[in-house]
Amino acid sequence: QSALTQPRSVSGSPGQSVTISCTGTTSDVGGYNYVSWYQQHPDKAPKLVIYDVTKRPSGVPDRFSGSKSGNTASLTISGLQAEDEADYHCCSYAGSYTVLFGGGTKLTVL
Amino acid sequence: QVQLQESGPGLVKPSQTLSLICTVSGGSINSGGYYWSWIRQHPGKGLEWIGYIFYSGNTYYNPSLKSRVTISIDTSKNQFSLMLNSVTAADTAVYYCAREPVFVGASDYWGPGTLVTVSS
Repeated sequence: QSALTQPRSVSGSPGQSVTISCTGTTSDVGGYNYVSWYQQHPDKAPKLVIYDVTKRPSGVPDRFSGSKSGNTASLTISGLQAEDEADYHCCSYAGSYTVLFGGGTKLTVL
Repeated sequence: QVQLQESGPGLVKPSQTLSLICTVSGGSINSGGYYWSWIRQHPGKGLEWIGYIFYSGNTYYNPSLKSRVTISIDTSKNQFSLMLNSVTAADTAVYYCAREPVFVGASDYWGPGTLVTVSS
């Protein structure tokens, strides 16, 4: 099992939209609708922002949305705000009760 | 409100066993419906899933760590534990415990994390 592939960094200006990709294989991202995304501010625990590819937990702004096409999942943040600057990690079920994470993406709000 | 808290030594010597406990409050670990997970993060790196345990005691591990990992549960104390043996410097990381609802495929509550350094 190899980690899911994410870009090391992305950036955007306040008010803009950014999309972070997460690429896996048919054995993980492409094979199950159990993709989740976590936001992590420095020295803090990860916070769930998207689960089951497209669902938002209670309290997460609707500026956060998720999607999937084939073996690639995506997190889109629209109307960027300064507080969105953080690391974002994707995660997928990988079969046989195992879980894979991506390498993380640093989002910079310019 | 469910809360999780990791505890254990912050420094472990090479070749020894890393042992951590996660104490769950605000909900019963024995209620079913959840996997109780351990996840780690090497300094400046991404997250790595270590494994999880169901309240019944069924365990599931990352294949790359399986030979060195044991996760156990103590429902009487509302705690679950991680043991990682034969540690090296490569096991230095922040270790998180988390709760994952069954059939959701995501961890909704996390502990704050605890840094474990492997060094002589």
